[in-house]
Amino acid sequence: QVQLKETGPDLVQLTQTLSITCTVSGFSLTTYNVHWVRQPPGKGLEWMGAMWNGGGTDYNSAFKSRLSISRDTSKSQVFLKMNSLQTDDTAKYFCARHMGYFDYWGQGVMVTVSS
Amino acid sequence: DIQMTQSPASLSASLGETVTIECRASEDIYSNLAWYQQKPGNSPQLLIYDANSLADGVPSRFSGSGSGTQYSLKINSLQSEDVASYFCQQYNNYPDTFGAGTKLELK
Repeated sequence: QVQLKETGPDLVQLTQTLSITCTVSGFSLTTYNVHWVRQPPGKGLEWMGAMWNGGGTDYNSAFKSRLSISRDTSKSQVFLKMNSLQTDDTAKYFCARHMGYFDYWGQGVMVTVSS
Repeated sequence: DIQMTQSPASLSASLGETVTIECRASEDIYSNLAWYQQKPGNSPQLLIYDANSLADGVPSRFSGSGSGTQYSLKINSLQSEDVASYFCQQYNNYPDTFGAGTKLELK
């Protein structure tokens, strides 16, 4: 069955870099797109960026050049890397399979940025 | 970016009641709209896609409608397990954008 699982730190220091891995199963990254979405505590959902099935990427301009998304298809993994973290980057980070809409989501990883 | 205005922000309803949540897009999104349910501590779950198509496994008391810039999610005969937050998402224009959410509670 389709599954996505995020792994990453729960605490990151101010100005440091966040790295999260999304490991998928039940589908191929060369067939389906995987995107990243985040949710600050008690708030709404924010689209961050995309890893398209062809290997291309797109990013929300709100993150400017801080965000990078890559993948390793042999390991069925998609990677998020974001630098220069600030306290307002404290959020739950989700990867999700994208069909236009998001039909499957990971459980998310809650990341706190600490000063 | 397309702005999604969702209303109401919160809603209190009784068991068995019918509830409607609305989303208005800042421009025509041609029914490229999804609705999600999110329970505390969980990830969002897809309810409706393409404005009115029910996702697999979703109870038939959930329905979606709308076109152009105006869309709604209706929950018939509210059940206790429907207590959650609900979000809309447009995927007609890049980037995908979400409504701010509606928190549904029991009266």
